[in-house]
Amino acid sequence: DGGITQSPKYLFRKEGQNVTLSCEQNLNHDAMYWYRQDPGQGLRLIYYSQIVNDFQKGDIAEGYSVSREKKESFPLTVTSAQKNPTAFYLCASSILAGAYEQYFGPGTRLTVT
Amino acid sequence: KNEVEQSPQNLTAQEGEFITINCSYSVGISALHWLQQHPGGGIVSLFMLSSGKKKHGRLIATINIQEKHSSLHITASHPRDSAVYICAVRSSGGYQKVTFGTGTKLQVIP
Repeated sequence: DGGITQSPKYLFRKEGQNVTLSCEQNLNHDAMYWYRQDPGQGLRLIYYSQIVNDFQKGDIAEGYSVSREKKESFPLTVTSAQKNPTAFYLCASSILAGAYEQYFGPGTRLTVT
Repeated sequence: KNEVEQSPQNLTAQEGEFITINCSYSVGISALHWLQQHPGGGIVSLFMLSSGKKKHGRLIATINIQEKHSSLHITASHPRDSAVYICAVRSSGGYQKVTFGTGTKLQVIP
């Protein structure tokens, strides 16, 4: 079955530690996205990648980093510089960037204490 | 003012009722998406539309470009429809940024 996987579902970290969230897709999509969801707010774009070895900052990129070394994978690192890292993180992909339907992964809930 | 406003924020309905969720936006768009988020957090795309009306099973989505307004209707609602429904708009031109509404939490009671 084609789809997007994110792991783990729940992640706990101590303040000051970097943590990497996994996102893998087997849909052969070129574009991939990372969103953050906080209570009472709409999803906000952290980073996106239109093609392998290329990525762009979204609206709230500070304190985050990404890589896109393979078409299937778009890991997100939450660094210690991110002031409020506790949130629900969603990865998505689309055939191409632009006016195409996005397919979402199941999400990772990160708690930093 | 948010670029995407949804109403109501919360909605409780009896099983079988007809449900309407509204979305208003303030920017020029190339497309509007309706998404469904279940309690576990995963999001499923329901509709992508740029004009008129689309229907899938008991779900109907409409959009009025001139009025910058869209509605999602659920006919014969069922408890399994309980979820958060999110409206998202894709801006026209350039990168076509997607802006998400805060969602409408629907609970359908048996």
